[in-house]
Amino acid sequence: AAGVIQSPRHLIKEKRETATLKCYPIPRHDTVYWYQQGPGQDPQFLISFYEKMQSDKGSIPDRFSAQQFSDYHSELNMSSLELGDSALYFCASSSNRASSSGANVLTFGAGSRLTVL
Amino acid sequence: GNSVTQMEGPVTLSEEAFLTINCTYTATGYPSLFWYVQYPGEGLQLLLKATKADDKGSNKGFEATYRKETTSFHLEKGSVQVSDSAVYFCALSFVSGGYNKLIFGAGTRLAVHP
Repeated sequence: AAGVIQSPRHLIKEKRETATLKCYPIPRHDTVYWYQQGPGQDPQFLISFYEKMQSDKGSIPDRFSAQQFSDYHSELNMSSLELGDSALYFCASSSNRASSSGANVLTFGAGSRLTVL
Repeated sequence: GNSVTQMEGPVTLSEEAFLTINCTYTATGYPSLFWYVQYPGEGLQLLLKATKADDKGSNKGFEATYRKETTSFHLEKGSVQVSDSAVYFCALSFVSGGYNKLIFGAGTRLAVHP
């Protein structure tokens, strides 16, 4: 079965550079979520999109932006990178239409590891 | 607000030992509860879930029961294997602003030795 595809898997950037991460959700999933996991930390919710519109916002820095495109893939853009941005970035997708009770399952991608030097 | 609290790790066990990882939650409404597992160098995988009180989720020998009276969702396995070594995250899903939202506990690292 198709899973959530993230690219690139690994990315190394210098401070103050920009980076873009891409996420391709499971077909027919309408919602995409972005999470940031620092070393030894639990995943922290950044932002989510439903049907190409931002549906929720978490602890996403102002230097970051994201969008969901007409084909439902999503991109997370990170500018003015800081050392503290080094983390594993997960994308997840779900079908929000499938459940109104919170029981829908998020399927996660393998993550994109960003290292800022 | 909604939150998840897990027992701190690491948890170190010998192969075939009994495992319990405690998880309690605070939530308004009727959340769904999940356990996700993260193997070294990999992403998050759903291990099991329960969507209402008294539901028992189970998978790969792991079990967890949604206990509303104690607001708990403890993960158990009768006999762990070395291959179970991973970080386990308890998570809670709820509806916020019409959309589903998932929040995680801090994670518990399990190390199983032969």
